[in-house]
Amino acid sequence: SQQGEEDPQALSIQEGENATMNCSYKTSINNLQWYRQNSGRGLVHLILIRSNEREKHSGRLRVTLDTSKKSSSLLITASRAADTASYFCATDDRGTYKYIFGTGTRLKVLA
Amino acid sequence: GAVVSQHPSWVICKSGTSVKIECRSLDFQATTMFWYRQFPKQSLMLMATSNEGSKATYEQGVEKDKFLINHASLTLSTLTVTSAHPEDSSFYICSATDGTGNNEQYFGPGTRLTVT
Repeated sequence: SQQGEEDPQALSIQEGENATMNCSYKTSINNLQWYRQNSGRGLVHLILIRSNEREKHSGRLRVTLDTSKKSSSLLITASRAADTASYFCATDDRGTYKYIFGTGTRLKVLA
Repeated sequence: GAVVSQHPSWVICKSGTSVKIECRSLDFQATTMFWYRQFPKQSLMLMATSNEGSKATYEQGVEKDKFLINHASLTLSTLTVTSAHPEDSSFYICSATDGTGNNEQYFGPGTRLTVT
């Protein structure tokens, strides 16, 4: 399977703490995107990082990309209860341009 | 930003019937659209890739005769689940790309299908 893997599979933290999720993938990519999904809902696009970028910020989000290790991390700082959701990374295969999703991390932020 | 819509947002149908799900790009021309399926508490799995005016390319294990995909225009792709069974109950999500070099994809809100 070409599916990427994320770890941890589940993460439970207290409000105000930082949450870090990691994503590993298998192919050469153009882009890597992070998405959030609340239970039973659609995807919310968080951030896109291109293969020639190493770090990107958006509000409380910080994404890093290491193409040599085929890995990315998503850091959510000062977490809030509303951040409770599943988080997925998605990478596009440079050869086929198809996006493949990681297995996801279920984040629970306790108030 | 680019917007992709899906219709319906949820549908309930009886076993043996067919259901059509629409995916539209509202403010851009989608040269390629993708269809994903997501079972509860699982990740999204790519089902097929459709290019406007040509036949869809299906991922391994996806039955092309069961999941009919039509990408008739640059703004519309449809997925028809034929002879639906309860095991087809899932969340179906489409995405679209405008074919520019950066390959950004824009996702629809998803359609929840329940087959009784």
